[in-house]
Amino acid sequence: NAGVTQTPKFRILKIGQSMTLQCTQDMNHNYMYWYRQDPGMGLKLIYYSVGAGITDKGEVPNGYNVSRSTTEDFPLRLELAAPSQTSVYFCASSYEATQYFGPGTRLTVL
Amino acid sequence: GIQVEQSPPDLILQEGANSTLRCNFSDSVNNLQWFHQNPWGQLINLFYIPSGTKQNGRLSATTVATERYSLLYISSSQTTDSGVYFCAVQKGGGADGLTFGKGTHLIIQP
Repeated sequence: NAGVTQTPKFRILKIGQSMTLQCTQDMNHNYMYWYRQDPGMGLKLIYYSVGAGITDKGEVPNGYNVSRSTTEDFPLRLELAAPSQTSVYFCASSYEATQYFGPGTRLTVL
Repeated sequence: GIQVEQSPPDLILQEGANSTLRCNFSDSVNNLQWFHQNPWGQLINLFYIPSGTKQNGRLSATTVATERYSLLYISSSQTTDSGVYFCAVQKGGGADGLTFGKGTHLIIQP
């Protein structure tokens, strides 16, 4: 199993641009999550999903959108990039309690 | 929401030393995980330990749920143990995301 994969690894955006961060898991997990990590801080939850077609907001959802059309994929959309969205983004999945994380996407907005 | 505090924030040790990292949380939890974030940014699961004691090689963890704290022990430290150690908790069921502490930054010097 590849586990949780994320693309791209790095990205630089200009203010106002949009992009989609991709996340795929091959463990048939129902639960999937998006977190962001700012420098020197722990991770904060952006959105989560309990299954295909079901998503909900986490602690810091403003400026982001998600969709979950399949069990495997959980893309995160940034519509109008802002400097405050410069961060490292992690996707995770779980079956019950233990969450497994992808390698992250480092995003810079200039 | 639930608060997670980790101590110490920074720790510098010589190779071969032992260390104890602490995690305090403000409410009862169903899930507690310890992660190691290596210098390349990858988050690695160490333990799922909402209560009790577990050991894995040189690492062990204890959670005393009634007193709302968890301890991570690292024995005979190696330089590869360097990185940031995060404690993360989940109050509800599998659908909720994890709430992370700010981490303990550990540096092991040769």
